[in-house]
Amino acid sequence: EAGVVQSPRYKIIEKKQPVAFWCNPISGHNTLYWYLQNLGQGPELLIRYENEEAVDDSQLPKDRFSAERLKGVDSTLKIQPAELGDSAVYLCASSLNNSPLHFGNGTRLTVT
Amino acid sequence: AQSVSQHNHHVILSEAASLELGCNYSYGGTVNLFWYVQYPGQHLQLLLKYFSGDPLVKGIKGFEAEFIKSKFSFNLRKPSVQWSDTAEYFCAVTPSNFGNEKLTFGTGTRLTIIP
Repeated sequence: EAGVVQSPRYKIIEKKQPVAFWCNPISGHNTLYWYLQNLGQGPELLIRYENEEAVDDSQLPKDRFSAERLKGVDSTLKIQPAELGDSAVYLCASSLNNSPLHFGNGTRLTVT
Repeated sequence: AQSVSQHNHHVILSEAASLELGCNYSYGGTVNLFWYVQYPGQHLQLLLKYFSGDPLVKGIKGFEAEFIKSKFSFNLRKPSVQWSDTAEYFCAVTPSNFGNEKLTFGTGTRLTIIP
């Protein structure tokens, strides 16, 4: 089966600029997750979707971060405006209900 | 809330050495436990999981882990490592009745195997 696809793989932007990440989950997986991974840390959940509904966005900094999952398939995570502290790897994962997560390769964001 | 501790930040071993990576969690109830691995340049992938039953769990590539409830531990082991095991290893835990929604990862252990 095709895995979770994320793009871009790398992104370098200046602070205060907007940025967007895209994720296409494994076909048939109803649950989609966005995680943040800082250097030397484990992944931390930003937002979780069940189909097209965001069921847990408690850890998403809503002043600058937004996400959507139109039609319950692929998803976009946006940051506007980006800050230096947003430099990290943004991981997307998907699962079928509560089966173990399948992760994408992530997007490494550098904010200068 | 649950938490996970991986005390070994960086482990360096020679090929054929035995491996044990520590993982301890804090949570008073029943848990599901996981080890994920991230090879250089690749995505995180599941190595093995424990939900219930036999506390000794076997995963891919010769890895195993033992759940010791009394010690709140789920250490990862491999009797003889290979250069290709060089990777970052993450332990994760979630309360059994919450599933993935409460999945918490440790900070990871970087494993370097010297040929």
